[in-house]
Amino acid sequence: QSALTQPASVSGSPGQSITISCTGTNSDIGGYNLVSWYQQHPGKAPKVMIYEVNKRPSGVSNRFSGSKSGNTASLTISGLQTEDEADYYCCSYAGVTTFVVFGGGTKLTVL
Amino acid sequence: QVQLVQSGAEVKKPGSSVRISCKASGVTFSSYTITWVRQAPGQGLEWLGGIVPFFGTANYAQKFQGRVTITADTSTSTAYMELSRLTSDDMAVYYCAGRYCSGSNCYYYYYMDAWGTGTTVTVSS
Repeated sequence: QSALTQPASVSGSPGQSITISCTGTNSDIGGYNLVSWYQQHPGKAPKVMIYEVNKRPSGVSNRFSGSKSGNTASLTISGLQTEDEADYYCCSYAGVTTFVVFGGGTKLTVL
Repeated sequence: QVQLVQSGAEVKKPGSSVRISCKASGVTFSSYTITWVRQAPGQGLEWLGGIVPFFGTANYAQKFQGRVTITADTSTSTAYMELSRLTSDDMAVYYCAGRYCSGSNCYYYYYMDAWGTGTTVTVSS
């Protein structure tokens, strides 16, 4: 059982927007503005899409955005494209004892 | 261009240990932080631990304390992860990952922007 809770799956049509939630506790998401999101295509290594809640690394499309409210972080993908179909994982810093917690992952299907 | 090249696939017997290497190129290793993550077949990502090569200090997930050892050789820009007392539950793809860092943010292992090639570990008698 993962420390962070994500929906198992979400879906959307090309051009639409979707949001993936990630719920933690005061000890991780709620305690730090240190949340990241990873995209993983089958058989590939993860790729960071968002860090520090809402920052995009260079080269990541501005269709990807992140936010946080309390103990819940969210990833929004606007203007869905077929290549966005992948698994998405949230991740949070969790202090000097636990360090890192991951969500269980969300499978995004672009219909 | 940052590259993290990992050692090849391993087949191990239950109870044995596995050591995986992760060689970095295109980076200033002394300014880098490295983390290790694994993914069992069909499962999610799981953090094992990380190391800041410049300081030589490693940090581990509580679940793996006493069973995992992470080290780094700055002379060869290579990080290592050794996992002992293997069971079938340890069958997974193991990834190293890293990013540039400074000071205390080197311990924020939650964010890595370069990932290794992955190493498949099979545990079978």
